[in-house]
Amino acid sequence: EDQVTQSPEALRLQEGESSSLNCSYTVSGLRGLFWYRQDPGKGPEFLFTLYSAGEEKEKERLKATLTKKESFLHITAPKPEDSATYLCAVQAGSGSARQLTFGSGTQLTVLP
Amino acid sequence: SQTIHQWPATLVQPVGSPLSLECTVEGTSNPNLYWYRQAAGRGLQLLFYSVGIGQISSEVPQNLSASRPQDRQFILSSKKLLLSDSGFYLCAWSLRGGYTFGSGTRLTVV
Repeated sequence: EDQVTQSPEALRLQEGESSSLNCSYTVSGLRGLFWYRQDPGKGPEFLFTLYSAGEEKEKERLKATLTKKESFLHITAPKPEDSATYLCAVQAGSGSARQLTFGSGTQLTVLP
Repeated sequence: SQTIHQWPATLVQPVGSPLSLECTVEGTSNPNLYWYRQAAGRGLQLLFYSVGIGQISSEVPQNLSASRPQDRQFILSSKKLLLSDSGFYLCAWSLRGGYTFGSGTRLTVV
């Protein structure tokens, strides 16, 4: 069974204080690892897809990296508007359904 | 461009009442469609997915059902709601990889 574990559950940072969120996974045949951002009361918003170990992607203050066992979402010099819940998900197997298995998320609060 | 519509945004229903949540996708053909539920402070739990019209797969036995009467329409239903059905319901579509989510429906069963 595919498993995704995110840590920490919650993180409070001061504006400008860089940090990293962790997503560890156990899957059979990883097809992709996805990062989403979710604001309260809204649907998740796509950030990144990573497909193979060693891959990195960046968007503004966010950088996602992938190894064979985990992924990190690095946040550099965060701003209050980066406050949200960050979700990690994996897609595995070879079927046509392409289900995603999600972690429980990291709730990030950036204080001004 | 592709868009996904989900309604209603919020719903308060009494225990034992029926439920119908609708999701439609525009700008794509033959997408995979998904219903997820998100309990407070928890991750997303896959409820149903569909790879085509009339094709529904259930991930979790429960009080809910799903139907796909048209290529870009996905409906989540219940004949009699339970208190435990409360949550945030999300519809999503996928064509070649990642998902695009709708804005969600906050269901409160009272």
